[in-house]
Amino acid sequence: TQLLEQSPQFLSIQEGENLTVYCNSSSVFSSLQWYRQEPGEGPVLLVTVVTGGEVKKLKRLTFQFGDARKDSSLHITAAQPGDTGLYLCAGGGNQGGKLIFGQGTELSVKP
Amino acid sequence: EPEVTQTPSHQVTQMGQEVILRCVPISNHLYFYWYRQILGQKVEFLVSFYNNEISEKSEIFDDQFSVERPDGSNFTLKIRSTKLEDSAMYFCASSQGNNSPLHFGNGTRLTVT
Repeated sequence: TQLLEQSPQFLSIQEGENLTVYCNSSSVFSSLQWYRQEPGEGPVLLVTVVTGGEVKKLKRLTFQFGDARKDSSLHITAAQPGDTGLYLCAGGGNQGGKLIFGQGTELSVKP
Repeated sequence: EPEVTQTPSHQVTQMGQEVILRCVPISNHLYFYWYRQILGQKVEFLVSFYNNEISEKSEIFDDQFSVERPDGSNFTLKIRSTKLEDSAMYFCASSQGNNSPLHFGNGTRLTVT
């Protein structure tokens, strides 16, 4: 059974701080996707990484896929209150479109 | 931007009743999915659907569940006889290709009493 473990589960920081969220597995994934989910809404795709060692940047967000394609990280620089939300990693590609989700990281950025 | 739409946004039903959750995927997408999220738990895969048939299903997707694409636009999830533990957010998703990113709807909150 493929599992993805996210850490930390909860993170409360002050505006302007940096943070990193980790997503780890013992399984290899063909791709790793990061989503953000707001209350009452579905997950919204932020990025997909597919190559081991790949780094993608989205403004203040930096996503990295591990060399062995078993882990990924999301780094946010100078967090803002608007970054508050639930961040989900999801591994996929091994079995078609089926995604395996991590349990999520609830981020709260206080002004 | 095209989006996946789900109706209703909230459904309350009594245990043992049948419910149908409806989804309109993005029009040029070929792969359709249902996921669920029990309160406080992970988003879990239920079923994938392609070319008018189920391509994969999870252990959760037992005989009480079925999916259908009755016309060219709708994709439905039916639960025949709901149980209390079926209470969850149900998300529909669609994608263009097998390994393309999934686009999720805003979900239907199902409450079984």
